[in-house]
Amino acid sequence: KAGVTQTPRYLIKTRGQQVTLSCSPISGHRSVSWYQQTPGQGLQFLFEYFSETQRNKGNFPGRFSGRQFSNSRSEMNVSTLELGDSALYLCASSLAGTGTHEQYFGPGTRLTVT
Amino acid sequence: DQQVKQNSPSLSVQEGRISILNCDYTNSMFDYFLWYKKYPAEGPTFLISISSIKDKNEDGRFTVFLNKSAKHLSLHIVPSQPGDSAVYFCAASALGGNKLVFGAGTILRVKS
Repeated sequence: KAGVTQTPRYLIKTRGQQVTLSCSPISGHRSVSWYQQTPGQGLQFLFEYFSETQRNKGNFPGRFSGRQFSNSRSEMNVSTLELGDSALYLCASSLAGTGTHEQYFGPGTRLTVT
Repeated sequence: DQQVKQNSPSLSVQEGRISILNCDYTNSMFDYFLWYKKYPAEGPTFLISISSIKDKNEDGRFTVFLNKSAKHLSLHIVPSQPGDSAVYFCAASALGGNKLVFGAGTILRVKS
């Protein structure tokens, strides 16, 4: 079974621009979560989508948004990029429902904002 | 407010010996705990998990122990192998949700 895939793997953007990252979950997984990893803050939860609905949200500004499609694929958008948005963005998928918490991560998208 | 803490930034162990990685948490609502391993430039890899209704879960060389009264969990790797060298993250979730709260990670080096 194929793992979680994320595209693109690397991205360089300029301050003020916007960016869209894509995630394809493991086949059969309906929950997709997004995390940001930075050296200073570690791994932080952004949001989770399940059945095309945002089910959980972390403490990030409204510039960070996402969506999920009917095939469970998800996209994450960051508008008006800031230097501090430079990070590794990780997508994770799981079967959940409820009671199933093992999340399987993709390789991440390395975003650099200049 | 760090709800999940891994107080040891790094750990060095001889090949064949036991590696013990520790994790403390403060939120009493956490009811599920996971350990992930991460290599540079890759996403975290799920290792093992434990529900708060258990105090031990074992999978091959990996065993996780949970002490709810102390709000402490540990990951034991026996025997340690050089390929285990990586960053290990402890994570927790609450109330059946998929929002994982991660610790800062511990770098494990297994020397041959």
